[in-house]
Amino acid sequence: GQQLNQSPQSMFIQEGEDVSMNCTSSSIFNTWLWYKQDPGEGPVLLIALYKAGELTSNGRLTAQFGITRKDSFLNISASIPSDVGIYFCAGVLNAGNNRKLIWGLGTSLAVNP
Amino acid sequence: KAGVTQTPRYLIKTRGQQVTLSCSPISGHRSVSWYQQTPGQGLQFLFEYFSETQRNKGNFPGRFSGRQFSNSRSEMNVSTLELGDSALYLCASSPLTATTGNTEAFFGQGTRLTVV
Repeated sequence: GQQLNQSPQSMFIQEGEDVSMNCTSSSIFNTWLWYKQDPGEGPVLLIALYKAGELTSNGRLTAQFGITRKDSFLNISASIPSDVGIYFCAGVLNAGNNRKLIWGLGTSLAVNP
Repeated sequence: KAGVTQTPRYLIKTRGQQVTLSCSPISGHRSVSWYQQTPGQGLQFLFEYFSETQRNKGNFPGRFSGRQFSNSRSEMNVSTLELGDSALYLCASSPLTATTGNTEAFFGQGTRLTVV
């Protein structure tokens, strides 16, 4: 089935460093969503992007909807230990009267204090 | 506004048994989706229900089924459990209608199913 290419698969960084991850696809999406999942919990929506080129921030997080509508990136600035978790991207496809969410496999982030 | 509620949080079952998981979406949300997540894996889509109808289905065997009630609450059922069914099962609700509305999905905390 359809899938997003999310990279990197995992990251291990020092506290205070900036982080960047991205998702790409051969499909065009109408919406990009970024989620964070803590261990044993459900994913929590971080940022939603609705327009090509849109750049949206949520605190230290910044995400952009690619101009081609086939990619998106998420940046985290000045990382802190509580940023640890798995970050997922999801693209929303319009298919007639239906809508589907296509998910990346996640980026696992570890932060060394 | 209450979030998505999944019950139970934890469940241990024996191979061959069946299990039913429950999901109460955010009030006003009409779409409910179910996902299976195993360690190191992404979110594997099971199915989506909208207005009591299954609208999308993932690539899972027929042992996995679900339904949605008129109040948008949803249940999923797994029959003849296998060891490989051990996973975190996540439910997500969305406010979207058939053609309009936001498409963000809001997740519950999940049900951790262990099959022994």
